[in-house]
Amino acid sequence: ETGVTQTPRHLVMGMTNKKSLKCEQHLGHNAMYWYKQSAKKPLELMFVYSLEERVENNSVPSRFSPECPNSSHLFLHLHTLQPEDSALYLCASSQDGGGIGGYTFGSGTRLTVV
Amino acid sequence: GDSVTQMEGPVTLSEEAFLTINCTYTATGYPSLFWYVQYPGEGLQLLLKATKADDKGSNKGFEATYRKETTSFHLEKGSVQVSDSAVYFCALSDYDYKLSFGAGTTVTVRA
Repeated sequence: ETGVTQTPRHLVMGMTNKKSLKCEQHLGHNAMYWYKQSAKKPLELMFVYSLEERVENNSVPSRFSPECPNSSHLFLHLHTLQPEDSALYLCASSQDGGGIGGYTFGSGTRLTVV
Repeated sequence: GDSVTQMEGPVTLSEEAFLTINCTYTATGYPSLFWYVQYPGEGLQLLLKATKADDKGSNKGFEATYRKETTSFHLEKGSVQVSDSAVYFCALSDYDYKLSFGAGTTVTVRA
């Protein structure tokens, strides 16, 4: 496989559930990102990891917990979510800060909280 | 801080029409500029980019020129197709791991 792969593509979870989103990149990039895309709202940067260290956390509620075990994998652990957390969650990767090549995005996980 | 402003949509066009989506930016340094496209049900794909003033990015018939004097990076295509229906995002990167996105412009092309 090449590019950025996200699983699952779709997820429906209750507010008391715990689930995890997975992202994997096969591009040799050294930075990975989580974005939230909600209807009628701009893309929101949630977390940034560079060389497996978190370099940015944009005031995201603690019910979202990222994990980056190595430069190829990124997880977003979810617990006690709210209905307003329903959105498309996008993972991206880049080489360094992405200033030259930009980001490569996955297809996203469509999350519905019921 | 850095920011991107792009024209609001939605934009509806007929096939073979000319498309322009305006994008202006604010940045303290010398950013790279990008256009991303998002087809229905998919993530964002890099459409084209420009890394310095007067550079022209092009791909799939789309073009955009980095204009430092007007701080703009307008996207153009001379003859759109139904398959160009998507959401288009202008973005900039100032080399600090942040890609600042515009709000997106929804384009619908009718046969």
